[in-house]
Amino acid sequence: DAGVTQSPTHLIKTRGQQVTLRCSPKSGHDTVSWYQQALGQGPQFIFQYYEEEERQRGNFPDRFSGHQFPNYSSELNVNALLLGDSALYLCASSLGTGVSYNEQFFGPGTRLTVL
Amino acid sequence: AQKVTQAQTEISVVEKEDVTLDCVYETRDTTYYLFWYKQPPSGELVFLIRRNSFDEQNEISGRYSWNFQKSTSSFNFTITASQVVDSAVYFCALIEGNAGKSTFGDGTTLTVKP
Repeated sequence: DAGVTQSPTHLIKTRGQQVTLRCSPKSGHDTVSWYQQALGQGPQFIFQYYEEEERQRGNFPDRFSGHQFPNYSSELNVNALLLGDSALYLCASSLGTGVSYNEQFFGPGTRLTVL
Repeated sequence: AQKVTQAQTEISVVEKEDVTLDCVYETRDTTYYLFWYKQPPSGELVFLIRRNSFDEQNEISGRYSWNFQKSTSSFNFTITASQVVDSAVYFCALIEGNAGKSTFGDGTTLTVKP
C-alpha cells in the first residue's frame, strides 16, 4: 500500500519564476492538504482540497494556488517566487473532511530553494 | 486566533531517561483537536496521537503517554525510558472544530544520547 508520494524531491528556482509541486495521496484517501515548513519552524497550513475544490485556506497570498484532480492527486503552484518561499513543502492526505479530522499521513516533502 | 506554544526548543537526555515535551495551546472554540507528530531527520511527519477536546482521558501507548488538561490548556507528551531512535523533532498541533485550519507549534528537538 503506497503512502503519500511527492515530486520532485528537490527543486531550485530563481526569483520571479513559477513552480509546480505534485502530490499523490495514500490509497483510499480523498483529501489533500499542503503545508510550508521553513527551516526550524513548524509546518504552516496553506490550503486543503476535497472533491476537487479548495475547502480551507491559511494565510498565504494568491501567488499560492492549487488543484485537485479526479484521482485525488493534487498540485501546488507558486507564482512570482520570492526568496522567502524557500522551504520544505509537505503534502498530507486524509479521508474525508469536516470535524472528524481523521489522521493525516504526510509525504516526504519537496525541498524548494529560491535563489 | 488559535496558537500552539512549545516552549522547549531543544532537549537532550541520556538513553533510558524519561522526558516530557510540553505543549500549550490557545483557542476560542469549545470543539478542537490536538495532535502530536514526530519528524525524524528524513523529514516525513509521523502521526502519533489525536485527542478531541471533549475527551480528557490520558492515553498510554507503549513507552509513550499523553496528559491532556483543559484547565491549563496543555497537552504534554512523555517518553518513558527514552531510546536513541526517539531522537527527532516533535510537533504539537491544533485544529479548531469550526475553522478546520491546523496550527503547528515550532517543535521541540529531542536528542537522546547513548
